[in-house]
Amino acid sequence: KQEVTQIPAALSVPEGENLVLNCSFTDSAIYNLQWFRQDPGKGLTSLLLIQSSQREQTSGRLNASLDKSSGRSTLYIAASQPGDSATYLCAVKMGAGNMLTFGGGTRLMVKP
Amino acid sequence: GAVVSQHPSWVICKSGTSVKIECRSLDFQATTMFWYRQFPKQSLMLMATSNEGSKATYEQGVEKDKFLINHASLTLSTLTVTSAHPEDSSFYICSANQGNEKLFFGSGTQLSVL
Repeated sequence: KQEVTQIPAALSVPEGENLVLNCSFTDSAIYNLQWFRQDPGKGLTSLLLIQSSQREQTSGRLNASLDKSSGRSTLYIAASQPGDSATYLCAVKMGAGNMLTFGGGTRLMVKP
Repeated sequence: GAVVSQHPSWVICKSGTSVKIECRSLDFQATTMFWYRQFPKQSLMLMATSNEGSKATYEQGVEKDKFLINHASLTLSTLTVTSAHPEDSSFYICSANQGNEKLFFGSGTQLSVL
């Protein structure tokens, strides 16, 4: 059974810092991996989707990498801003059409 | 990007009543929709997979008679919490697959059962 773990569970940084969020999964035979952002009491916003054949994806200040063999993905946020404060979730899909398995999330607080 | 509309955003109900939550894909057809539940400070947990025109597939531990799912069309799935109790209070989120493997999520429904 796939298990997804995110470390750290919570992170507080001053504005402007570059930071890395970690995601690990136990079964490396994933179909794809997705990073989401969730604001309190809100739904999810998809940030980046990495297919199993890809090693990274970039969008603006966000960069997500994938190392399938080691069962790891990282989300890099450059020049963090207070507006980046949210919970970041990674999720893996094991096959086309299958549901996602979510990590526990990392609650990020960026202080002005 | 694709839009998934979910409503209501929040609902407060008395114990024993039933609550219906709607999930609509506004600009694409979704043969499959997913329903998740999230308790405070916890991650999302899949409740069931909703397939258009057929019965939903429920995850282990989810009572299908309590959480009724109907996927009557390619753009609408509903989740009905029957005879709701305080322990059903949670944040419910739906998602739909646009077909390119990317999932789009509704804005969620906060259910509070008194």
